[in-house]
Amino acid sequence: KAGVTQTPRYLIKTRGQQVTLSCSPISGHRSVSWYQQTPGQGLQFLFEYFSETQRNKGNFPGRFSGRQFSNSRSEMNVSTLELGDSALYLCASSLALGPQETQYFGPGTRLLVL
Amino acid sequence: AQSVAQPEDQVNVAEGNPLTVKCTYSVSGNPYLFWYVQYPNRGLQFLLKYITGDNLVKGSYGFEAEFNKSQTSFHLKKPSALVSDSALYFCAVRSGDSNYQLIWGAGTKLIIKP
Repeated sequence: KAGVTQTPRYLIKTRGQQVTLSCSPISGHRSVSWYQQTPGQGLQFLFEYFSETQRNKGNFPGRFSGRQFSNSRSEMNVSTLELGDSALYLCASSLALGPQETQYFGPGTRLLVL
Repeated sequence: AQSVAQPEDQVNVAEGNPLTVKCTYSVSGNPYLFWYVQYPNRGLQFLLKYITGDNLVKGSYGFEAEFNKSQTSFHLKKPSALVSDSALYFCAVRSGDSNYQLIWGAGTKLIIKP
């Protein structure tokens, strides 16, 4: 099976712009989670989707939003970009919801905001 | 509140020696514990997880972890370290009676010296 794919892999934007990142989960996986990873803050949870519904949300401002489509693919959007949004954005998929479910990660999208 | 602690920012081990990366947790209810590894400029790769049963869990690349309920620990171990094991290691936990959000440790950088 193909793994989790994320596009684009690298992105350079300027402050004030918006960006959309895409994630395709492993075939058959219905849950998608998004994380922001920075050297100073580590791995920060953004949100989790299951069956097109947001199930969990981290402590990020409303500029960060996401959605999931009927084929389980997911997108996240960041509006009005700030310098501090520069990070590696990771997507992870799992088969279902539940405490025992393993998340499988994509390679990430590295966003640089200038 | 649920939390995960990885008390060491960095662990240095000589090649061929045993290695241990420490993780302690705090959750309400039964813990579900995970270890992931991240190589430079890559996403996270799943190593192993503890759900229930045998306290010693074996995973990928020769890694294993021991669940200790009384000490609320889940240390990652390998009998003989390889230079290629050098990477960033993350411990994560879910509670069985919460909204299933993964709580992540800050990560431990493992350096294996030849």
